[in-house]
Amino acid sequence: EAQVTQNPRYLITVTGKKLTVTCSQNMNHEYMSWYRQDPGLGLRQIYYSMNVEVTDKGDVPEGYKVSRKEKRNFPLILESPSPNQTSLYFCASRPVLGTGETHEQYFGPGTRLTVT
Amino acid sequence: GQNIDQPTEMTATEGAIVQINCTYQTSGFNGLFWYQQHAGEAPTFLSYNVLDGLEEKGRFSSFLSRSKGYSYLLLKELQMKDSASYLCAVSRIRDYKLSFGAGTTVTVRA
Repeated sequence: EAQVTQNPRYLITVTGKKLTVTCSQNMNHEYMSWYRQDPGLGLRQIYYSMNVEVTDKGDVPEGYKVSRKEKRNFPLILESPSPNQTSLYFCASRPVLGTGETHEQYFGPGTRLTVT
Repeated sequence: GQNIDQPTEMTATEGAIVQINCTYQTSGFNGLFWYQQHAGEAPTFLSYNVLDGLEEKGRFSSFLSRSKGYSYLLLKELQMKDSASYLCAVSRIRDYKLSFGAGTTVTVRA
């Protein structure tokens, strides 16, 4: 089954304690992205990656890091989480134009993070 | 940047039709998506328009006018399960970035 998986699904942590949210896709998609979703603000892109070893900042990258060492994995790293990073996080993947049958972007199930 | 505007909320009756409008401003347009999202869940794909005109998929249709920077999602024969948030998203050709509007919450009443 084609899917994007994220772990953990729920996480409560304390300020300053480093954490990693994993993301993996099995569709061989080149493009992967992280979003955060907050009430009234919609989905905002944090970081994206066009392919292995190619990453770039989205609209709200401050306080986050990513890596793309393998095509299928795109972890999100919070080196020193703060309460304003409490949010619902989604990982997503999509094929690059012309290389897939659809331009649809697939989303993971979401990770609800609370930083106290 | 990309500005994407859609209404915040809409309410309709079961069996009725609702039209959700979306206007956008972007450079390097590469397609417009509509997603459905139930509370606390991941967005799920509904439709994709890259050329002007209407795309129909069962009870859902989506329209695009690139010259006007305008799209709408039409939901027909509304069912209670259609109560959700509907997200308009614009794709940019330069970096395939998908930018989202804030979403329209549709409430279907019996």
